[in-house]
Amino acid sequence: AQSVTQLDSQVPVFEEAPVELRCNYSSSVSVYLFWYVQYPNQGLQLLLKYLSGSTLVKSINGFEAEFNKSQTSFHLRKPSVHISDTAEYFCAVTLGGTSYGKLTFGQGTILTVHP
Amino acid sequence: DAGITQSPRYKITETGRQVTLMCHQTWSHSYMFWYRQDLGHGLRLIYYSAAADITDKGEVPDGYVVSRSKTENFPLTLESATRSQTSVYFCASSEFATRGTGELFFGEGSRLTVL
Repeated sequence: AQSVTQLDSQVPVFEEAPVELRCNYSSSVSVYLFWYVQYPNQGLQLLLKYLSGSTLVKSINGFEAEFNKSQTSFHLRKPSVHISDTAEYFCAVTLGGTSYGKLTFGQGTILTVHP
Repeated sequence: DAGITQSPRYKITETGRQVTLMCHQTWSHSYMFWYRQDLGHGLRLIYYSAAADITDKGEVPDGYVVSRSKTENFPLTLESATRSQTSVYFCASSEFATRGTGELFFGEGSRLTVL
């Protein structure tokens, strides 16, 4: 069975500073990897995903994540954060194929951007 | 409006009572899911459904019952609520074309408190 570990439960950062949210996964087979974002009192929204191909994937709002198979990692980065990026971020993994979208989530990282 | 809606958004109940959380989606997605979100655990899959009348257990199914008589509805019932079921519950759906890619669409959540 696969598992996901998010190494930081909370990450405080100042506006316009860079940020990295760390995610490691454990699986004996190939996986699909995701980052979801949850704003206060809302459901989760897909931020970006890695299915295959280029190991660097990007979102429309400036986040990027790199799939590193040897390190079994999928860290999320942004070079310059905004106040509006304050949210909880979840890394998730699925085996794909017949897994029917059964995602395994990490524990979440609360990103707080200070002015 | 199109989307996925959950009701009630907030519910307080007592130990031993039956509670049903409703989930309705207007996309005609084949797959639907129930997750619970608890601090320190991220989201954990309770039950999922691949189509009407097809349901299966997830990671934490004990104490819960689901049904899916219509594609658009996926209610979750707590037959005899316990304090350990105090949580935020999220319903999600996924279309057939993205089956296995993990792109889920989430409702806004139902916050349940069991006294």
